[in-house]
Amino acid sequence: NAGVTQTPKFRILKIGQSMTLQCTQDMNHNYMYWYRQDPGMGLKLIYYSVGAGITDKGEVPNGYNVSRSTTEDFPLRLELAAPSQTSVYFCASSYSWDRGPSPDTQYFGPGTRLTVL
Amino acid sequence: AQKVTQAQTEISVVEKEDVTLDCVYETRDTTYYLFWYKQPPSGELVFLIRRNSFDEQNEISGRYSWNFQKSTSSFNFTITASQVVDSAVYFCALSFAASGTYKYIFGTGTRLKVLA
Repeated sequence: NAGVTQTPKFRILKIGQSMTLQCTQDMNHNYMYWYRQDPGMGLKLIYYSVGAGITDKGEVPNGYNVSRSTTEDFPLRLELAAPSQTSVYFCASSYSWDRGPSPDTQYFGPGTRLTVL
Repeated sequence: AQKVTQAQTEISVVEKEDVTLDCVYETRDTTYYLFWYKQPPSGELVFLIRRNSFDEQNEISGRYSWNFQKSTSSFNFTITASQVVDSAVYFCALSFAASGTYKYIFGTGTRLKVLA
């Protein structure tokens, strides 16, 4: 299994540009998450999904959108990039019988380092 | 307020020394979960342990051990006989139920440098 994969690894955007961060997992996990990690800080949850077709906001959803059309994929969309979105983005997945982002073991991807200039 | 505090920003030790990383949490809930993750220089996050609030038993896994004390709201992590490969940022996290779902709060991390 490849686990959780993310593309791209690095990206530089200009203010106002848009892009999609890709995340794929091959572990048949029902839960998927997007976090951002700012320098010297912990992770903050942006969005999560409990299954295909179901998504919900986390702690810092503004400026982002997500979709979950398949179990495997959970892309994160930035519509109008702003310097405040400069961060490292991590995708994670887990498996749970419960609704909501239950506190099960999360498996993380390698991260995408995004810079907005 | 729900909060995780990792007061140690950075710790440096010499190889083979023991080191303890502190984690103090705040929560109103009686049911909650605590985690430790490791982030090596390569950047990925690696799960180390999950503990629920009803299980105060300490745990040992090889050179790693965890001390969970509800009385002091702490979930400290000790590495015995540290090695250079232990150099990483370590995050403590708290998960609790809120509005029908579970929320996660991560600490700001402790950077551990193990010198040869």
